[in-house]
This record gives sequence, structure tokens and C-alpha cells, in this order.
Amino acid sequence: AQKVTQAQTEISVVEKEDVTLDCVYETRDTTYYLFWYKQPPSGELVFLIRRNSFDEQNEISGRYSWNFQKSTSSFNFTITASQVVDSAVYFCALSDWNTGNQFYFGTGTSLTVIP
Amino acid sequence: DAGVTQSPTHLIKTRGQQVTLRCSPKSGHDTVSWYQQALGQGPQFIFQYYEEEERQRGNFPDRFSGHQFPNYSSELNVNALLLGDSALYLCASSSNDRGRRQPQHFGDGTRLSIL
Repeated sequence: AQKVTQAQTEISVVEKEDVTLDCVYETRDTTYYLFWYKQPPSGELVFLIRRNSFDEQNEISGRYSWNFQKSTSSFNFTITASQVVDSAVYFCALSDWNTGNQFYFGTGTSLTVIP
Repeated sequence: DAGVTQSPTHLIKTRGQQVTLRCSPKSGHDTVSWYQQALGQGPQFIFQYYEEEERQRGNFPDRFSGHQFPNYSSELNVNALLLGDSALYLCASSSNDRGRRQPQHFGDGTRLSIL
């Protein structure tokens, strides 16, 4: 069965601190894709990154970085030097070959950056 | 370049009524998916439309139906509304996979409240 777990429900950090959001996934498929989305209070889900199961290279984009480890089925997301504008709910999602086009989302982590 | 647009923004209905939500995909996208997001939860996949046909369906009853038009826009219909149908309904568009799971781009959603 496909499942995405985001154990951290809410996180609060002071501005300029680093913060890591955890994501653990379950799938029986060897081909799958992982995603991170950001949902600000306006409601729109904003796409941040996609990784496929064949590419474990970690990625850095500005203040964002992602750590993909197949051995632990984790796809963690780190924000460096957090800013107030980073406050949002962050979702990790999984889409695998067996289930076709369906995206499975975690329950989200609500991040609050305090000025 | 217009993103995914949804209408209406908010909607209030009573139990037993029927509702139609509308979505226009991002320019260049031909695939539309619908999700239900209850308060404090991650989005749940309802179904996906491609080439005017339902290509895949999540675990939702037949009260939920949809349609895709030749211009790729889509409608979500819900009959016999229940209190539990109160949620944010998100439309997501993407280009056809062609073997690679493309990220889905989301609209701002329609907030449906059932009284």
C-alpha cells in the first residue's frame, strides 16, 4: 500500500533558524516519484520539487535543500535561514507506477516562522 | 501565463443539494485531477481526466462525478451533498505523463460548506 507520513504536525522556529521537515513514504513499487508542495494560507498548493526513485542525488535550490534516502524511505526538506514568508503548510507526496497518476499526500507539516 | 483557475471561490449548500465546481487548466496542460482536502488533512485524490475520459479514480462514491471538455477544462459534480462533503476542493493540471510523472499544478481551490 502507498502511504506518506509526515510525523511533524506543527513546527515553530525563530527567523533565521534552519528547519528540517520529515517525510517517510511506503510503496512496493521500484519506480516512483516524490514531491514537495507548499500551501500558504491562500490555499493554492505550490510545487517545489520532484524526485524520481532512480535519482538519489540531493539537491539544493537557494535556501531549500532536499535529502532523498531510499534506504530509509525518506525524503526530507530543509529550509536554511528561515524567513517569515516561509510560514505555510508543507506537503510531501508520492506517485508510483502501480497506482498510475494518483498522488498520495501526507497530512502536512505546518511551519510557523516567528520574526 | 495563466495558472489553474477554479470557480467559484466559495460555495454554501445544504444537505441533499447538488453542486458543480469548475476548473480551467494551466496553459499547455491536458490532464486535470480533482482532490478533496478536509480541514487539517492532506489532499485526497478523487479522479483524473484525460482526453475527455475519466482515467483513474480514487476511493470516492459515485455521487462524485466529473467531465472534461474539448478545451481541457473540467467540472466536478457532487450529488446528494452530505455534511462530510464540506472541504476545500482542489483542481490540479499537468501535461500527459509520457512515462514521466509530471508535477501537478494546483488552483486556489473552491471552499464548499454544507449546512
